[in-house]
Amino acid sequence: NAGVTQTPKFRVLKTGQSMTLLCAQDMNHEYMYWYRQDPGMGLRLIHYSVGEGTTAKGEVPDGYNVSRLKKQNFLLGLESAAPSQTSVYFCASSSWAVGNQPQHFGDGTRLSIL
Amino acid sequence: QQPVQSPQAVILREGEDAVINCSSSKALYSVHWYRQKHGEAPVFLMILLKGGEQKGHDKISASFNEKKQQSSLYLTASQLSYSGTYFCGTPPDSTLGRLYFGRGTQLTVWP
Repeated sequence: NAGVTQTPKFRVLKTGQSMTLLCAQDMNHEYMYWYRQDPGMGLRLIHYSVGEGTTAKGEVPDGYNVSRLKKQNFLLGLESAAPSQTSVYFCASSSWAVGNQPQHFGDGTRLSIL
Repeated sequence: QQPVQSPQAVILREGEDAVINCSSSKALYSVHWYRQKHGEAPVFLMILLKGGEQKGHDKISASFNEKKQQSSLYLTASQLSYSGTYFCGTPPDSTLGRLYFGRGTQLTVWP
Protein backbone atom coordinates (compact mmCIF):
# COMPACT_ATOMS: atom_id res chain seq x y z
CA ASN A 1 0.00 0.00 0.00
CA ALA A 2 2.88 2.40 -0.64
CA GLY A 3 1.13 4.52 -3.32
CA VAL A 4 3.29 7.60 -3.94
CA THR A 5 6.54 7.90 -2.00
CA GLN A 6 8.65 11.03 -1.85
CA THR A 7 12.22 11.29 -0.61
CA PRO A 8 13.57 13.10 1.27
CA LYS A 9 10.83 14.38 3.61
CA PHE A 10 12.85 17.37 4.83
CA ARG A 11 15.91 19.16 3.54
CA VAL A 12 17.77 22.35 4.23
CA LEU A 13 20.01 23.74 1.51
CA LYS A 14 22.25 26.72 1.11
CA THR A 15 21.73 29.14 -1.76
CA GLY A 16 23.44 27.85 -4.88
CA GLN A 17 23.46 24.18 -3.88
CA SER A 18 21.79 21.57 -6.04
CA MET A 19 19.60 18.66 -5.14
CA THR A 20 17.19 16.11 -6.54
CA LEU A 21 13.81 15.15 -5.13
CA LEU A 22 12.65 11.63 -5.90
CA CYS A 23 9.08 10.50 -6.43
CA ALA A 24 8.17 6.84 -6.83
CA GLN A 25 4.75 5.32 -7.47
CA ASP A 26 3.72 1.68 -7.49
CA MET A 27 0.30 2.04 -9.12
CA ASN A 28 1.52 1.80 -12.72
CA HIS A 29 0.21 5.30 -13.42
CA GLU A 30 1.09 6.99 -16.68
CA TYR A 31 0.82 10.57 -15.43
CA MET A 32 3.06 12.10 -12.79
CA TYR A 33 3.24 15.66 -11.49
CA TRP A 34 5.36 17.94 -9.35
CA TYR A 35 3.66 20.76 -7.44
CA ARG A 36 4.88 23.37 -5.05
CA GLN A 37 2.69 24.69 -2.27
CA ASP A 38 3.23 28.09 -0.70
CA PRO A 39 0.96 29.72 1.91
CA GLY A 40 -2.17 31.14 0.31
CA MET A 41 -1.16 30.08 -3.19
CA GLY A 42 -2.67 26.63 -3.46
CA LEU A 43 -0.92 23.94 -5.48
CA ARG A 44 1.02 25.17 -8.47
CA LEU A 45 2.20 22.77 -11.12
CA ILE A 46 5.94 22.83 -11.81
CA HIS A 47 6.38 20.06 -14.39
CA TYR A 48 4.47 16.99 -15.35
CA SER A 49 4.88 13.82 -17.37
CA VAL A 50 2.37 11.90 -19.44
CA GLY A 51 4.57 8.84 -19.81
CA GLU A 52 8.04 7.40 -19.57
CA GLY A 53 10.57 9.59 -21.32
CA THR A 54 8.21 12.58 -21.69
CA THR A 55 7.99 15.75 -19.63
CA ALA A 56 6.26 19.10 -19.99
CA LYS A 57 6.27 22.47 -18.27
CA GLY A 58 3.59 23.52 -15.86
CA GLU A 59 2.75 26.93 -14.43
CA VAL A 60 6.01 27.63 -12.57
CA PRO A 61 8.85 25.67 -14.26
CA ASP A 62 11.70 28.19 -13.98
CA GLY A 63 14.64 27.00 -11.89
CA TYR A 64 13.58 23.34 -12.01
CA ASN A 65 14.30 20.38 -14.24
CA VAL A 66 12.69 16.95 -14.32
CA SER A 67 13.32 13.52 -15.72
CA ARG A 68 11.26 10.39 -16.09
CA LEU A 69 13.54 7.60 -17.21
CA LYS A 70 11.37 4.91 -15.65
CA LYS A 71 7.59 4.85 -15.55
CA GLN A 72 7.48 4.57 -11.78
CA ASN A 73 9.91 7.40 -11.00
CA PHE A 74 9.76 11.14 -11.52
CA LEU A 75 12.73 13.26 -10.43
CA LEU A 76 12.70 16.98 -9.71
CA GLY A 77 16.02 18.79 -9.78
CA LEU A 78 17.10 22.17 -8.49
CA GLU A 79 20.38 23.09 -10.18
CA SER A 80 21.15 26.22 -8.17
CA ALA A 81 18.78 26.62 -5.24
CA ALA A 82 17.40 30.06 -4.41
CA PRO A 83 15.54 31.22 -1.27
CA SER A 84 12.41 31.73 -3.43
CA GLN A 85 12.32 27.96 -3.89
CA THR A 86 11.67 27.41 -0.20
CA SER A 87 8.38 25.54 -0.26
CA VAL A 88 6.60 22.27 0.27
CA TYR A 89 6.86 20.05 -2.79
CA PHE A 90 4.24 17.44 -3.60
CA CYS A 91 4.42 14.71 -6.17
CA ALA A 92 1.25 13.14 -7.53
CA SER A 93 0.28 10.48 -10.03
CA SER A 94 -2.83 9.48 -11.91
CA SER A 95 -3.89 7.01 -14.54
CA TRP A 96 -4.24 8.14 -18.14
CA ALA A 97 -7.79 9.43 -18.24
CA VAL A 98 -7.03 12.62 -16.36
CA GLY A 99 -10.46 14.14 -16.70
CA ASN A 100 -12.06 11.52 -14.52
CA GLN A 101 -9.24 9.92 -12.60
CA PRO A 102 -8.06 11.22 -9.22
CA GLN A 103 -4.55 12.33 -8.48
CA HIS A 104 -2.77 10.50 -5.68
CA PHE A 105 -0.35 12.61 -3.68
CA GLY A 106 2.81 11.78 -1.80
CA ASP A 107 3.41 13.11 1.71
CA GLY A 108 5.49 16.03 0.52
CA THR A 109 9.06 17.30 0.86
CA ARG A 110 9.64 20.35 3.02
CA LEU A 111 12.55 22.25 1.52
CA SER A 112 14.21 25.28 3.09
CA ILE A 113 16.85 27.28 1.28
CA LEU A 114 18.99 29.60 3.34
CA GLN B 1 -6.53 29.55 -15.76
CA GLN B 2 -6.52 28.97 -12.03
CA PRO B 3 -10.09 28.48 -10.78
CA VAL B 4 -11.37 30.91 -8.17
CA GLN B 5 -12.59 29.58 -4.84
CA SER B 6 -14.85 31.32 -2.36
CA PRO B 7 -14.92 31.95 0.48
CA GLN B 8 -11.26 31.94 1.48
CA ALA B 9 -12.10 30.73 4.98
CA VAL B 10 -15.07 29.39 6.89
CA ILE B 11 -15.52 28.85 10.63
CA LEU B 12 -18.31 26.57 11.77
CA ARG B 13 -19.68 24.86 14.83
CA GLU B 14 -20.18 21.12 14.74
CA GLY B 15 -23.45 20.29 13.03
CA GLU B 16 -23.58 23.43 10.87
CA ASP B 17 -23.56 23.44 7.08
CA ALA B 18 -21.15 25.07 4.66
CA VAL B 19 -20.85 25.67 0.93
CA ILE B 20 -17.58 26.17 -0.94
CA ASN B 21 -17.67 27.48 -4.48
CA CYS B 22 -15.28 27.01 -7.38
CA SER B 23 -15.64 28.99 -10.59
CA SER B 24 -13.71 29.39 -13.81
CA SER B 25 -13.60 31.95 -16.59
CA LYS B 26 -13.06 29.11 -19.06
CA ALA B 27 -15.11 26.08 -19.99
CA LEU B 28 -15.02 23.32 -17.39
CA TYR B 29 -14.60 19.71 -18.48
CA SER B 30 -14.55 18.28 -15.01
CA VAL B 31 -13.98 19.42 -11.44
CA HIS B 32 -11.91 17.64 -8.82
CA TRP B 33 -12.26 18.26 -5.09
CA TYR B 34 -9.52 17.52 -2.55
CA ARG B 35 -9.12 18.06 1.17
CA GLN B 36 -5.81 18.72 2.90
CA LYS B 37 -5.34 18.57 6.65
CA HIS B 38 -2.58 20.62 8.21
CA GLY B 39 0.84 19.14 7.53
CA GLU B 40 -0.54 16.36 5.35
CA ALA B 41 -0.97 15.61 1.67
CA PRO B 42 -4.12 16.51 -0.26
CA VAL B 43 -6.62 13.68 -0.34
CA PHE B 44 -9.05 13.08 -3.16
CA LEU B 45 -12.76 13.57 -2.38
CA MET B 46 -14.61 13.36 -5.66
CA ILE B 47 -14.67 14.18 -9.36
CA LEU B 48 -17.61 15.71 -11.17
CA LEU B 49 -17.94 15.34 -14.90
CA LYS B 50 -19.98 17.26 -17.44
CA GLY B 51 -23.72 16.79 -17.14
CA GLY B 52 -24.59 18.73 -13.97
CA GLU B 53 -24.30 15.64 -11.85
CA GLN B 54 -24.08 15.59 -8.13
CA LYS B 55 -21.88 13.28 -6.17
CA GLY B 56 -21.59 12.43 -2.54
CA HIS B 57 -18.94 11.33 -0.12
CA ASP B 58 -20.26 10.68 3.37
CA LYS B 59 -22.13 13.93 4.21
CA ILE B 60 -20.13 15.88 1.65
CA SER B 61 -21.69 16.36 -1.77
CA ALA B 62 -20.99 18.52 -4.78
CA SER B 63 -22.66 19.85 -7.87
CA PHE B 64 -21.28 20.90 -11.24
CA ASN B 65 -22.96 23.45 -13.48
CA GLU B 66 -21.00 23.52 -16.72
CA LYS B 67 -23.09 26.36 -18.19
CA LYS B 68 -22.24 28.60 -15.25
CA GLN B 69 -18.69 27.20 -15.23
CA GLN B 70 -18.83 26.52 -11.55
CA SER B 71 -18.98 23.79 -8.95
CA SER B 72 -20.09 23.88 -5.34
CA LEU B 73 -19.08 21.61 -2.46
CA TYR B 74 -21.71 21.10 0.24
CA LEU B 75 -20.75 20.01 3.74
CA THR B 76 -23.78 19.15 5.84
CA ALA B 77 -23.87 18.59 9.58
CA SER B 78 -20.14 19.36 9.82
CA GLN B 79 -17.95 17.16 11.96
CA LEU B 80 -14.64 18.06 13.59
CA SER B 81 -12.93 15.78 11.07
CA TYR B 82 -14.05 18.05 8.22
CA SER B 83 -11.56 20.72 9.24
CA GLY B 84 -8.89 21.35 6.65
CA THR B 85 -8.28 23.19 3.42
CA TYR B 86 -10.44 22.29 0.43
CA PHE B 87 -9.13 22.65 -3.09
CA CYS B 88 -10.89 22.41 -6.40
CA GLY B 89 -8.94 21.44 -9.49
CA THR B 90 -9.90 21.79 -13.13
CA PRO B 91 -8.20 20.50 -16.30
CA PRO B 92 -7.38 23.15 -18.93
CA ASP B 93 -9.05 21.03 -21.61
CA SER B 94 -10.44 17.59 -22.15
CA THR B 95 -7.20 15.94 -23.15
CA LEU B 96 -4.20 17.34 -21.33
CA GLY B 97 -2.91 15.51 -18.26
CA ARG B 98 -2.92 18.20 -15.63
CA LEU B 99 -5.07 20.22 -13.26
CA TYR B 100 -5.12 23.84 -12.23
CA PHE B 101 -5.91 24.16 -8.55
CA GLY B 102 -7.67 26.99 -6.77
CA ARG B 103 -6.03 28.70 -3.81
CA GLY B 104 -8.10 26.74 -1.34
CA THR B 105 -10.79 27.34 1.27
CA GLN B 106 -9.78 26.86 4.88
CA LEU B 107 -12.57 25.23 6.87
CA THR B 108 -12.43 25.16 10.67
CA VAL B 109 -15.02 23.24 12.66
CA TRP B 110 -15.26 23.93 16.39
CA PRO B 111 -16.96 21.70 18.96
